[in-house]
Amino acid sequence: QAVVTQEPSLTVSPGGTVTLTCGSSTGAVTSGHYPYWFQQKPGQAPRTLIHDVNNKHSWTPARFSGSLLGGKAALTLSGAQPEDEAEYYCLLSPSSGRPVFGGGTKLTVL
Amino acid sequence: EVQVVESGGGLVQPGGSLRLSCEASGFTFSSYGMSWVRQAPGKGLEWVSAISGSGDSTYYADSVRGRFTISRDNSKDTVFLQMSSLGVEDTAAYYCAKGLGPYATHPDHWGQGTLVTVSS
Repeated sequence: QAVVTQEPSLTVSPGGTVTLTCGSSTGAVTSGHYPYWFQQKPGQAPRTLIHDVNNKHSWTPARFSGSLLGGKAALTLSGAQPEDEAEYYCLLSPSSGRPVFGGGTKLTVL
Repeated sequence: EVQVVESGGGLVQPGGSLRLSCEASGFTFSSYGMSWVRQAPGKGLEWVSAISGSGDSTYYADSVRGRFTISRDNSKDTVFLQMSSLGVEDTAAYYCAKGLGPYATHPDHWGQGTLVTVSS
């Protein structure tokens, strides 16, 4: 099955901007992979931030946005807040198989 | 308000079986696919299985196919995950989630999870 890759860790300064990416071993990520982004804080269940590339939920802070960038799915955080420190996971549905999560990105706001 | 609540986790011996339940509320249950995702202690998320709103389509990760069975009872707004031939590698928090459409395989609205421990 496809391997989905994310940066293991990233650091952003408070108020800064950071982009997390999500790639597929099978090739370029497209809207047909229905990329999702999830946030998980320690001891909590994941929550969905972005679905289908760039669609937000009512609870998704406006500072988060999703896109396709350079053959990958991307999650951009603009104006990072201390409460954004968390693990972020992407999920792709490769045409060849079942949904696959990336390994997660640990985002530090420092 | 959409809610999904998992139950049925616990301690089970290797080779044993367990059935997880997920009771949903706040939406028209039969109109949405439901999925299960697990997370081993200290590890990342792993997609496990999904079922369509009507129950006519089911999907499994390779790691559980043939051992786990997903089903749903739309009269009780509940989805189940029957797990058999459990191994220590199945130890994880199991999350149930509502999808965004009738054939959705991606989790969207998550429950709080139920812990399954496989140990002798």
